[in-house]
Amino acid sequence: QSALTQPASVSGSPGQSITISCTGTSSDVGGYDYISWYQQHPGKAPKLMIHDVSSRPSGVSDRFSGSKSDNTASLTISGLQPEDEADYYCSSYTGSNTWVFGGGTKLTVL
Amino acid sequence: EVQLVESGGGLVQPGGSLKLSCTASGFTFSGSSMHWVRRASGKGLEWVGRIRGKANTYATTYAASVRGRFTISRDDSKNTAYLQMNSLKTEDTAVYYCTRTTGTLVNFDYWGQGTLVTVSA
Repeated sequence: QSALTQPASVSGSPGQSITISCTGTSSDVGGYDYISWYQQHPGKAPKLMIHDVSSRPSGVSDRFSGSKSDNTASLTISGLQPEDEADYYCSSYTGSNTWVFGGGTKLTVL
Repeated sequence: EVQLVESGGGLVQPGGSLKLSCTASGFTFSGSSMHWVRRASGKGLEWVGRIRGKANTYATTYAASVRGRFTISRDDSKNTAYLQMNSLKTEDTAVYYCTRTTGTLVNFDYWGQGTLVTVSA
């Protein structure tokens, strides 16, 4: 199972919006609505930000939103804040009782 | 409060073995599937494997990169999951995290802080 494809880096200024893409195949991203996104700050554990494509866990800011079209999922962060600077990973269930992650995207808030 | 605490990491030579533990608290451990995920330095997260609960006969699945070398087990009486790593390779060097999925959900909602495994001569 190959890793999902994410851009290595994205950047934006405070207050702006950015979108991170996550491209897979019909066997993972395109085949299931089980896409989740994780935020990881340096030296910290990953944190669940979005699950089931577009659902937010309790306590996660509504500035974070998710979507999916065909084999590509997307995470959008609106109203960028300095604390959003982190690594972001997408993940998909693959249907054979396995999971796959994206390569990760480093978000820089300028 | 849900807590997952990994332990057992360290330095091991190529070809060696190491066993990691993940001790859980704050939730019904026996009802959750437990996963291991790793992150090598400068690389992204990689799903390693999963063990289901007793109701699903403790079934396990693994990533192709570790299948046949790594084994996940659990002891529900101790609220602990384990990752036995054999025939270790330098490319297994990473921070290893335990995490969980619950019920029919397939997202990882709580994570431990990780334990570092270094495979080097």
